[in-house]
Parts: sequence; C-alpha cells; structure tokens
Amino acid sequence: DTGVSQNPRHKITKRGQNVTFRCDPISEHNRLYWYRQTLGQGPEFLTYFQNEAQLEKSRLLSDRFSAERPKGSFSTLEIQRTEQGDSAMYLCAAGRTYEQYFGPGTRLTVT
Amino acid sequence: AQSVSQHNHHVILSEAASLELGCNYSYGGSVNLFWYVQYPGQHLQLLLKYFSGDPLVKGIKGFEAEFIKSKFSFNLRKPSVQWSDTAEYFCAVTSSYNTDKLIFGTGTRLQVFP
Repeated sequence: DTGVSQNPRHKITKRGQNVTFRCDPISEHNRLYWYRQTLGQGPEFLTYFQNEAQLEKSRLLSDRFSAERPKGSFSTLEIQRTEQGDSAMYLCAAGRTYEQYFGPGTRLTVT
Repeated sequence: AQSVSQHNHHVILSEAASLELGCNYSYGGSVNLFWYVQYPGQHLQLLLKYFSGDPLVKGIKGFEAEFIKSKFSFNLRKPSVQWSDTAEYFCAVTSSYNTDKLIFGTGTRLQVFP
C-alpha cells in the first residue's frame, strides 16, 4: 500500500460533460503528481504540486484541464467538456524528491 | 527532449529462465533512472532506482539493473524468473535539473509460464 488513494476508480461519462477526480496522499508526501496513461503506453506527466503550489504543467494539459491542491493535502483534477480522446487512466503519485508512489488510478471512459 | 525506449514490447519466458529487459534513454546530461512494475490489477510500484555511484543497482524481488552511461542504457535483469513476475515493466528517467518529471517508456509486458 503506497498510501495514495484515488476516487472514483472508474468513471464513464458522455462527451461534453465535466468530470473531477480526487487524489488523497498521506500527509508526509509534500509533492503530488498527475499522469495520464493510455492503452499500450507508459504514463505521461501532466502536472505536479509542491504543497499547494502547482510548479509545472505539461503541454498535454489543455485549457480544459485544471488541477488544484488546496492546503497542500488532497488534489483534484477536473476535465471540462470531455472528448473521446480524454479516455485514459489518470494516475496520481505522491512522494518526495526522487521517489514517487503511485495510486491505483481512475479509469475514464468518454462515450 | 528526453525520451525512453523499451524495445521489447512483449516477452514470454518459462519459469527459471533468465530475464533481461532493455531500456535506452536519450538525454545528454545527468539522469536518474528507475524501473517500475505493474502487476495485474495493481498499481505501479518502484522496483529499483539509480541516482549515482555503483552502476549496478539491486532492487526488490531479486531484480537488478545496470547503468551503462556510454550506451545510454539501464537494462533490467533477473537470473531466474518466477510465475509471479508476470507483469508490465516500465523504465523511466528524470533529468538532474528536473527530478520531478518522470519520463516513461512504453513498457514491456512479461509473461512467465510455469
């Protein structure tokens, strides 16, 4: 158990709808990361936080994506106006420098 | 831009066979290297990591990897695989100036038959 939980584990939504995912790390992990993984590919970096500050965003994170980490604890990833291409596994990881512990992921299916 | 190549997409072995999974990265500067494993139905777990020092790194469950700087490689090895090693294996890299952004390879699916 990495101490990183994600909810929901699965989400099916219709194209155009908004979705929000949540990641809860254990308190000792001041860094929190979001990745996206599509079938047959490795995880791709989306963004990361140190405490509540969002320090880097990938080009993959279009304007429809937004991530927050209020108070430096849990984090949310919101996708607005979902598209079929957003279908993927969204992974959260947490840790300190040099070590990232991954959660189970949220599988998003956009129909 | 940094990238990671894993040329073996699918490897099938019998138990007790030796394993070597290839990983090559492209980046001219200092790197940190990782191998992650994802067992069926489970989350990604760190197998081993290399930051500096001895280029032969030992990880959990009998795995080891060797960093060969001149070849930009970080191959994963295990002398004798078990059925429980069936999983997907991902090589990943961060640069020394951005230690937070993991760049993953596409993964190698390992199937071990009894």
